[in-house]
Amino acid sequence: GQQLNQSPQSMFIQEGEDVSMNCTSSSIFNTWLWYKQDPGEGPVLLIALYKAGELTSNGRLTAQFGITRKDSFLNISASIPSDVGIYFCAGQLEMEYGNKLVFGAGTILRVKS
Amino acid sequence: EPEVTQTPSHQVTQMGQEVILRCVPISNHLYFYWYRQILGQKVEFLVSFYNNEISEKSEIFDDQFSVERPDGSNFTLKIRSTKLEDSAMYFCASLWMSGNTIYFGEGSWLTVV
Repeated sequence: GQQLNQSPQSMFIQEGEDVSMNCTSSSIFNTWLWYKQDPGEGPVLLIALYKAGELTSNGRLTAQFGITRKDSFLNISASIPSDVGIYFCAGQLEMEYGNKLVFGAGTILRVKS
Repeated sequence: EPEVTQTPSHQVTQMGQEVILRCVPISNHLYFYWYRQILGQKVEFLVSFYNNEISEKSEIFDDQFSVERPDGSNFTLKIRSTKLEDSAMYFCASLWMSGNTIYFGEGSWLTVV
């Protein structure tokens, strides 16, 4: 089945630093999504990427969908304490019966203030 | 903004007991999902539901699991006889149409003792 490899597993950075994380897969996805999960809550969508090569920003977040549709990165600039959480990439396939999401293992982000 | 709501937020149950987790998807959505996240691990697909039937299920979704959409608004996940390893956060999600974004609920945290 489809699998996503997400790295790094965790990061412990200083407030104000930039952060970069990425996901790769051997499978092609229609859409690539980045979610953030706070403790005890459900994943919240940060950025959705629909076209190969697409570069999209949402405030301090920037993400790109790889040309091959098999990878993506997420950058967070000038990190702040509330960026703490787990970041998941997810590849989305459009199936006859709706979408199917495959999640990466997550990147735990901790920020020192 | 419309949201997916889940109840209960937390449940502790004894091994062997039946559990029903409830979800109210976003009202005009057509596709419904259950995902599971064991503590510290990634979000895993359990089952998708469309047109009043299961469209896909994972290996995790064995005979102990069932889903139902009894009244056109609720979407339930039943675990017939819970096991210790069923302890996890269970997320309901819904989707309007293929190609759009899947929205997640905040999760139901199940602890089996």
